Amino acid sequence: SQKIEQNSEALNIQEGKTATLTCNYTNYSPAYLQWYRQDPGRGPVFLLLIRENEKEKRKERLKVTFDTTLKQSLFHITASQPADSATYLCALRFQKLVFGTGTRLLVSP
Amino acid sequence: EAQVTQNPRYLITVTGKKLTVTCSQNMNHEYMSWYRQDPGLGLRQIYYSMNVEVTDKGDVPEGYKVSRKEKRNFPLILESPSPNQTSLYFCASSPTAGHIVSNTGELFFGEGSRLTVL
Repeated sequence: SQKIEQNSEALNIQEGKTATLTCNYTNYSPAYLQWYRQDPGRGPVFLLLIRENEKEKRKERLKVTFDTTLKQSLFHITASQPADSATYLCALRFQKLVFGTGTRLLVSP
Repeated sequence: EAQVTQNPRYLITVTGKKLTVTCSQNMNHEYMSWYRQDPGLGLRQIYYSMNVEVTDKGDVPEGYKVSRKEKRNFPLILESPSPNQTSLYFCASSPTAGHIVSNTGELFFGEGSRLTVL
């Protein structure tokens, strides 16, 4: 069965630095991959989608890459701010959408 | 405002007492789904609905029921709740099921319903 791995340990970085979060998967490549942001006690909010034939997608300070050879997606937040502190979930579309467990990002001033 | 509304947001109940968590969306979305979120396990799909009167099991359907009589509503029913159903529940909707290549499959989530079964 498909397995999705996100780092369960929190990522701590300083304001202004680039945060990089990883999403790895096994077996088959998904049709597309999504990233969501989730704040404590709130529902996930969609951020970006990247398809299997795309290498990179950008949206403002966000950048997502998708490497089907490495079976990995990287999610970057440049010029990070304390307001970026949240849990970030990747979701992969196989026959259905499957979510990773998320990585918590803490941006300190 | 486009939104998915769940009620109640918080509920403490006892084993065996039937309860319903309501979900309503105002975006005319065809697809709706229920997830539960537990520490270390992430979001797991309980049931989903591709359209009115069409529902199907997700990964963890045991102990739950759903119905989709109207496009906007997708209630989650726990006929006889048990402590292992203590969890954070999310309802989500999408314009379509996301299997169409041109569709982003973006899910719009509700604010969540935290359920405790004693």
